[in-house]
Amino acid sequence: ILNVEQSPQSLHVQEGDSTNFTCSFPSSNFYALHWYRWETAKSPEALFVMTLNGDEKKKGRISATLNTKEGYSYLYIKGSQPEDSATYLCAYHSGGGADGLTFGKGTHLIIQP
Amino acid sequence: EADIYQTPRYLVIGTGKKITLECSQTMGHDKMYWYQQDPGMELHLIHYSYGVNSTEKGDLSSESTVSRIRTEHFPLTLESARPSHTSQYLCASSASNVGGVAQYFGPGTRLLVL
Repeated sequence: ILNVEQSPQSLHVQEGDSTNFTCSFPSSNFYALHWYRWETAKSPEALFVMTLNGDEKKKGRISATLNTKEGYSYLYIKGSQPEDSATYLCAYHSGGGADGLTFGKGTHLIIQP
Repeated sequence: EADIYQTPRYLVIGTGKKITLECSQTMGHDKMYWYQQDPGMELHLIHYSYGVNSTEKGDLSSESTVSRIRTEHFPLTLESARPSHTSQYLCASSASNVGGVAQYFGPGTRLLVL
């Protein structure tokens, strides 16, 4: 079973501050790296799907980078807002085997007003 | 807008009962998935399907079974529920592109077996 590690497990951030967290994954057989945001009582929502080493994607105040050679991705949130409070899941897709994703446990982010 | 639905959202049931968790999507996606999440743990893939009449087991062994008779419908069945089946079950779908396409998730079913 592949291991996807996310850190930190939880994070409290003051409103307006910027923050970032990490996802590490196996660097072999890499195909894609997904980031999802999961708010309480809602469905996980896709933020980014990244496939190329050095890729950087941005959606509003949220951005992500990808290093497939060393097996890590960072998610950045600039100027955190209360609506950013959620669990952020990272998921790895390898090139073979089952077509589903291997998830990390997530980073639980709480934005304090 | 993702349209993937799961029912029921919450289910409390006694040991030994047969249960079916429903999942439907209106996006015409070929690929569908079931994930299981125990409290404090990761989502784990338990079943997936490439299309009608296709079902495969995922990375995590599960006593549940699935069927895919119609593109839009991917129900999960437990023939005889046990307390060890208590978990959250999420259904997802994606367009027919390998890996580099986002999955759309339903809201999940929280199952409690007494």
